[in-house]
Amino acid sequence: SQQGEEDPQALSIQEGENATMNCSYKTSINNLQWYRQNSGRGLVHLILIRSNEREKHSGRLRVTLDTSKKSSSLLITASRAADTASYFCATALPNTDKLIFGTGTRLQVFP
Amino acid sequence: EAQVTQNPRYLITVTGKKLTVTCSQNMNHEYMSWYRQDPGLGLRQIYYSMNVEVTDKGDVPEGYKVSRKEKRNFPLILESPSPNQTSLYFCASSVGGPDQSYYNEQFFGPGTRLTVL
Repeated sequence: SQQGEEDPQALSIQEGENATMNCSYKTSINNLQWYRQNSGRGLVHLILIRSNEREKHSGRLRVTLDTSKKSSSLLITASRAADTASYFCATALPNTDKLIFGTGTRLQVFP
Repeated sequence: EAQVTQNPRYLITVTGKKLTVTCSQNMNHEYMSWYRQDPGLGLRQIYYSMNVEVTDKGDVPEGYKVSRKEKRNFPLILESPSPNQTSLYFCASSVGGPDQSYYNEQFFGPGTRLTVL
């Protein structure tokens, strides 16, 4: 079962531009997380937003959560070549501790 | 250094030959989990464990076994591997499960690339 789906699947931008990726999910949630994965390596946690939060910031990252639309967005401002990676959202199925990841957005930032 | 370690990092084996991928964490985390990653499918959870002797099926448990005899270790066992289990495997751990109010993030290991011929 796919809980989270990211959009777009792939995104190419120039350094300095902003990158926005979206995640939609199907059930109610307690929190939603975003992770980054550099090619073939382990995932790194970026930010967690709880269901009672609407927006959260961490450095150049801004995450929003709209529980009425069951969607979240991750904005990376002033992107750098080092931001090139795949980005995944993840949520837990309610009343379980089963974590479901989306299929990811591949971001390419050109110098 | 706080970390999740997996061994081996790369493994090529043949159909039917039992194998174990080890996972260990040094952060005293209660929750541990295994995922497989395949192109176009993202990460899919295989099994997870809330604590010692407590394990639950994830999305794709068929063909896998796990055990949690100690808090720090969570090995993944393939009793009779098949080619469709060729994949990139990740172990992860966290303080509490992802549906808990005090949950914050999962820490991932570096991955094990498994090829079953």
